[in-house]
Amino acid sequence: DVKVTQSSRYLVKRTGEKVFLECVQDMDHENMFWYRQDPGLGLRLIYFSYDVKMKEKGDIPEGYSVSREKKERFSLILESASTNQTSMYLCASSTTGSRNQPQHFGDGTRLSIL
Amino acid sequence: GDSVTQMEGPVTLSEEAFLTINCTYTATGYPSLFWYVQYPGEGLQLLLKATKADDKGSNKGFEATYRKETTSFHLEKGSVQVSDSAVYFCALSSGGGADGLTFGKGTHLIIQP
Repeated sequence: DVKVTQSSRYLVKRTGEKVFLECVQDMDHENMFWYRQDPGLGLRLIYFSYDVKMKEKGDIPEGYSVSREKKERFSLILESASTNQTSMYLCASSTTGSRNQPQHFGDGTRLSIL
Repeated sequence: GDSVTQMEGPVTLSEEAFLTINCTYTATGYPSLFWYVQYPGEGLQLLLKATKADDKGSNKGFEATYRKETTSFHLEKGSVQVSDSAVYFCALSSGGGADGLTFGKGTHLIIQP
């Protein structure tokens, strides 16, 4: 089975801090994704990557950046955390080739910015 | 752009009741369609998928049929259990696989014993 592991289940940080969320997948997937999940808004795509060192903006990239130095690891960075970035963050991965391939999700990181 | 609309709930049913969660979509081309389930405190798990018109996805007693003429992918189960209580997300993929999914807002399902 595909395993997508997010480094923290719960994280509390302060306004203005630089925050790193880490995600690792073990299935050699080409594509990796970061979403945030908020009540009443569903999941919204922040950034995705289809290869090492490649990144693409999703629907809500403002205030975030990403890093993909190795194929299995995709990091989400909050450059200067703000309270409106308090949310559940979900990482996903998928293999490439066609739109039929499902995405596999980690368990999420619930981030609180105080 | 692409979009997915689903009933938001919460939907509350008694055990052994019949379940329908409606999902309709707008997309360019011929998207693939998915249902994901999120149990409390967990990430999303793929429940079922369909990749072309009239395909039926099924898993764990749940079914959904890809209806191109009505742009719908409604989730059904004949007899729900308390353990089915979760949030269900309808999603589509119309890109080449490297793009993100477009999700509905999720339907919170509560099954009472």
